Amino acid sequence: EAQVTQNPRYLITVTGKKLTVTCSQNMNHEYMSWYRQDPGLGLRQIYYSMNVEVTDKGDVPEGYKVSRKEKRNFPLILESPSPNQTSLYFCASSPVDSRDEKLFFGSGTQLSVL
Amino acid sequence: QKEVEQNSGPLSVPEGAIASLNCTYSDRGSQSFFWYRQYSGKSPELIMFIYSNGDKEDGRFTAQLNKASQYVSLLIRDSQPSDSATYLCAGISSGSARQLTFGSGTQLTVLP
Repeated sequence: EAQVTQNPRYLITVTGKKLTVTCSQNMNHEYMSWYRQDPGLGLRQIYYSMNVEVTDKGDVPEGYKVSRKEKRNFPLILESPSPNQTSLYFCASSPVDSRDEKLFFGSGTQLSVL
Repeated sequence: QKEVEQNSGPLSVPEGAIASLNCTYSDRGSQSFFWYRQYSGKSPELIMFIYSNGDKEDGRFTAQLNKASQYVSLLIRDSQPSDSATYLCAGISSGSARQLTFGSGTQLTVLP
């Protein structure tokens, strides 16, 4: 089954404790992206990647890191999480040559930073 | 700041009516626009995309794009309670490599 898999689904942590949210897709998509969703603000892009070893900042990259060492994986790293990073996070992927630009989303990760 | 703005709602329509969702964008160079539907607690799913001026129809859904007015809309005909969800408008900004900017979403409730 074609899918984008995010883990964990729920995560509660404390300020300053490094964490990684994993994202993996099995569709051989070149493009992958991370978003955060907060009430009243919609989806805001954190980072995106056009291909292996190619990453770029989105609208809200501060406090986040990403890496794209393999085509299928695009982990999101919070080196020192803070309470303002409490949010719902989505990973998404799509083929670069797709005209309809359809993003395939993971199920989301609800992060709470205490 | 390139923005996509939606009327935040919430919007309520009776079953069988036409629901009209609207979106404006600030980047005149934006080329492609998308409507995603998001049920509560779920991830967004693409329902329509449009990149040419005019209307595009798919079943009960019609997307409208007016580049001169920088306006995108989604019409849902014969609305059903299962259409109750948050609808997100998104656009790809000019000069960016597939950087998608989302609006804040409009919550639609279809009343039986």
